[in-house]
Parts: sequence; structure tokens; C-alpha cells
Amino acid sequence: GGIITQTPKFLIGQEGQKLTLKCQQNFNHDTMYWYRQDSGKGLRLIYYSITENDLQKGDLSEGYDASREKKSSFSLTVTSAQKNEMAVFLCASSIPTTNTGQLYFGEGSKLTVL
Amino acid sequence: GDSVTQTEGLVTLTEGLPVMLNCTYQTIYSNAFLFWYVHYLNESPWLLLRSSTDNKRTEHQGFHATLHKSSSSFHLQKSSAQLSDSALYYCALSGYGGSGNKLIFGTGTLLSVKP
Repeated sequence: GGIITQTPKFLIGQEGQKLTLKCQQNFNHDTMYWYRQDSGKGLRLIYYSITENDLQKGDLSEGYDASREKKSSFSLTVTSAQKNEMAVFLCASSIPTTNTGQLYFGEGSKLTVL
Repeated sequence: GDSVTQTEGLVTLTEGLPVMLNCTYQTIYSNAFLFWYVHYLNESPWLLLRSSTDNKRTEHQGFHATLHKSSSSFHLQKSSAQLSDSALYYCALSGYGGSGNKLIFGTGTLLSVKP
């Protein structure tokens, strides 16, 4: 089996700061995703990537940048953290088609902005 | 665009009672694929169920759901709730975006099962 590793697990930042989250997978999957989880709003797609060096915007891409320099890794940057922002960011990977619905998720990175 | 609606944010049940979590969807594609994910506290979300053909029931780990295209629904059910079923449940739709594949999730239903 494989695993998705997200670092850091907890991230505390200051308002206006640029913050980066990292995700590694050893499934050898082509497609990787970043979702944001907020209470009452579900999982919202920020960015996804269908192959190395590819980037596709999700519904929530504004305020974020992403980078897929290697097949196994996918980074997400919060370009300017918002005061009092709190959210969990979930990374996932899958084979190219989602008809199977099989996304493998990491355990999440919890962001707190002071 | 494609969307998934879960009307209940929180469902609280007594152990042993039946579970039904609602999920409806909208999509322009005739071949919709629906899924249920479960997210236990301090764990990663994982796939619980995926839809089969129209009006066919799918089951896994005591839960079941039936895709009804006529009503655009894929409700999650279980005959008898257990304490260990307490978790956040997401319904998701396979959306065929113009460039690539992605899952569209609903807002989630928190199921709380009490003794």
C-alpha cells in the first residue's frame, strides 16, 4: 500500500504571511489534489494536477498558488494569510480517471492565522 | 455546473436506530458517478461506497446506497446505527471538468450516534 504525507501537520502564521504546505505520495499516482475543509462548507477543491508540471484551478484557487515539480509531490502556497483564518487542508491523489471515485487522502494540515 | 447537496449538517441518533443521510446532485452528464466518503476524527477521509448502475443498490461495511437518476439522489442508509459510525460523511460526484477529472463534494453531514 501507499501513503500520503502532508507537512506540516500544524501551521501557525501571521496575517499577510506567505505559507507553504507540502504533500508527498508514494502510490505513483498521476493526479494530485488540494482540498480545503471548512465546517459547514465541505471539501472545496483549490488546485489539482493531472501530471507532473500540470496545474488546474479548482473553485477556490484565488489566494493560493500550487506547484507540481515532481510526480510524487504537490505543494500549496497561501499567498497572503488572512487574520483569524482557520482551516484544514487535505491533499489527495488518484489514478487519472475519477470514475472509480478512489481518492487517497492525507491526514490534513491545520492552519491557524493569528 | 455540477453540484452536490447534503441538507443535514448534523444528524444525531440513538444507537440501534436506522441511519439515512441525504444526498442529491445536479449534473449535465447522463453518466453520473456518486460516492460516499467517511471522515473519522484524526484520520484521513476514505471511500465508503461508490454507485453502481441506475436503481442498483451497493453495499459496504453495513452501509448501502442506491443511485436513483430519476430523482438525482444517492442517500446513504444503514439499518442499525453503531457508536463507531460517528463521523463526518461526504457525498461526492465525479465531475468531468473541461480539463481533467475531479470529485465534487457536498458540505458533509456529521453523524453523531449516542448510547
